[in-house]
Amino acid sequence: GAVVSQHPSRVICKSGTSVKIECRSLDFQATTMFWYRQFPKQSLMLMATSNEGSKATYEQGVEKDKFLINHASLTLSTLTVTSAHPEDSSFYICSARDQATGGLTEAFFGQGTRLTVV
Amino acid sequence: AQSVSQHNHHVILSEAASLELGCNYSYGGTVNLFWYVQYPGQHLQLLLKYFSGDPLVKGIKGFEAEFIKSKFSFNLRKPSVQWSDTAEYFCAVNAGRGSTLGRLYFGRGTQLTVWP
Repeated sequence: GAVVSQHPSRVICKSGTSVKIECRSLDFQATTMFWYRQFPKQSLMLMATSNEGSKATYEQGVEKDKFLINHASLTLSTLTVTSAHPEDSSFYICSARDQATGGLTEAFFGQGTRLTVV
Repeated sequence: AQSVSQHNHHVILSEAASLELGCNYSYGGTVNLFWYVQYPGQHLQLLLKYFSGDPLVKGIKGFEAEFIKSKFSFNLRKPSVQWSDTAEYFCAVNAGRGSTLGRLYFGRGTQLTVWP
């Protein structure tokens, strides 16, 4: 299957700083990528849909100024957690869909980024 | 909004036992349904998916799932589990079209532990 790579896999940052997480589709182009957040022992919660060349679409309750998403190319989307606080500590996962395969295909997931804010 | 319910939070089985994990969703229209597996320390992997056609879907590693539209269910089954099936299993639903097809709503997951 297609490969989606996330970087970094783990990051520890100080409270008040910003952290950028990258999501790359390695062998396909993705006009749309998705960002999820997973709390311990809980499910993945969709945060936003990242659209290449346009603004991201955020789910209800997700602060767009807090979680900045940029999708500048067909293979890269970035999520920046701004002014991070300990409550932002979580597991962030991206997924991407191969636009070349048409309508009936699943999204492929990155390996996730464990963010710890201290 | 769509919601997905997985009834079993933690299932413990012995090897060779049969498995059935429940998944129900709330959405009245056409849906696409998925089961993902997450092995310890690894990323999500697709087990199987349903888009249309035969409601009994066969996936990898001997897993299958049945879509019952009248019950809004998509239960995952395996006739004989192995120790290597120990993992977290997520049911997911999507009702989008085109660019939103990958926009998934997940159940909270079921941790399966298989004892050798």
